[in-house]
Parts: sequence; C-alpha cells; structure tokens
Amino acid sequence: DSGVTQTPKHLITATGQRVTLRCSPRSGDLSVYWYQQSLDQGLQFLIQYYNGEERAKGNILERFSAQQFPDLHSELNLSSLELGDSALYFCASSVGQTTDTQYFGPGTRLTVL
Amino acid sequence: GEDVEQSLFLSVREGDSSVINCTYTDSSSTYLYWYKQEPGAGLQLLTYIFSNMDMKQDQRLTVLLNKKDKHLSLRIADTQTGDSAIYFCAEVVRGGNKLTFGTGTQLKVEL
Repeated sequence: DSGVTQTPKHLITATGQRVTLRCSPRSGDLSVYWYQQSLDQGLQFLIQYYNGEERAKGNILERFSAQQFPDLHSELNLSSLELGDSALYFCASSVGQTTDTQYFGPGTRLTVL
Repeated sequence: GEDVEQSLFLSVREGDSSVINCTYTDSSSTYLYWYKQEPGAGLQLLTYIFSNMDMKQDQRLTVLLNKKDKHLSLRIADTQTGDSAIYFCAEVVRGGNKLTFGTGTQLKVEL
C-alpha cells in the first residue's frame, strides 16, 4: 500500500458525459501528479500540482482539467468524454516539486461506452 | 528528446534470474526508476538509481546503469511466480518533475 488513495476504482459512463476522479496523496506529500495509461499511448503524464498550484502540464487535453484543494487532495475532471478516453488514470504523489520519488495510487479505470 | 524503450516480453523459469532491459535517450536524466504493475493493480515502486551511480542492489534486485550507452537493466535473482507482472522503467530529467515511462516488459515466470 503506497498511501495514495483514489476513488472511484471503476467508472462506466457514456460519450459526452463528464466525470470527476479523486486522489488523496500520502501524508506529508505536497505534489500530486496525474497519469493516463492506455493501450495505444502507454503511460503518459497529464499534469502536476504542488501545494495547490499547477506546476507542469503534459499531454492533457483541453477537455480535461484538474485542481488541488487546500487539504491537498486533487480532482481530475474529464468532460465531453469520447470512446478514446477509456483508460486507467493514475494519481501519484511526492514530497517536493521536482525529482522526488513518486508513489502511485491504485488507479481509476474509466470505461466510456 | 525523451524516449524510453523496453522489450515487450520476457519468459523465465522459476528460480532463474531475470534481466529486464531499458534504453533511454535523454542524457540529462537524473533519476531512473523501476515500477512493477500486477494485473488490475497500480504501479509499485521497486527501486531507483541516481544517474551518478553504476549499480544498486536491493535484496533480490540489482540495477545496472550504463550512462555512456544510456542503458538501464533490472536483474531479479531467484525469480518467483509472484514476480510475474509488467515492469516499467521511467526517467526524470534534471530539474524536471514528470516521469517518462517505457513501454513496459511483461515478465512471465513458468514453473
């Protein structure tokens, strides 16, 4: 158990819908990262927040957004969902902003029908 | 640029050693990681090596880093059926924060 929690574990929804994925980092960690794992793209970095502020952006679509709250938990919002958004979404956390070891949560499996 | 490559599949017999290889192209990588993903599970951090090291040993795991060839390997001694999983190498470049992952190597351990 890494100490990073994610909810829900599974999510099934329809095209065009909007969903919110939630992540709680390990105690003491200030950074939260979101990654997407899909069969065709592999594991890709989406976005990082550090202590409430956006720190880095990767291959995140404009339909996706994220935020980190004062209690340091983070939410990833996915809107206007398409079939291709079906994937495993991981959250990771680390102590600092850069080059700190990242610990991953169990992931949320999103299926868009 | 950043590109991390791994062979897709490795099959070994229980009790043998497994060697999983990884090549990367970004010479400014500072930390290189190995993660394990079991079916239906998240990514478990196995070990990591700092770029100024050549080798790191942690119980059954040995990591070798050849910076000249940008080659990283993970050796698992006395491989067990519980080691069957997908293994990912990942790098973080100097001053960076995102992990760039390899394609993953599926390790199958046969009796």
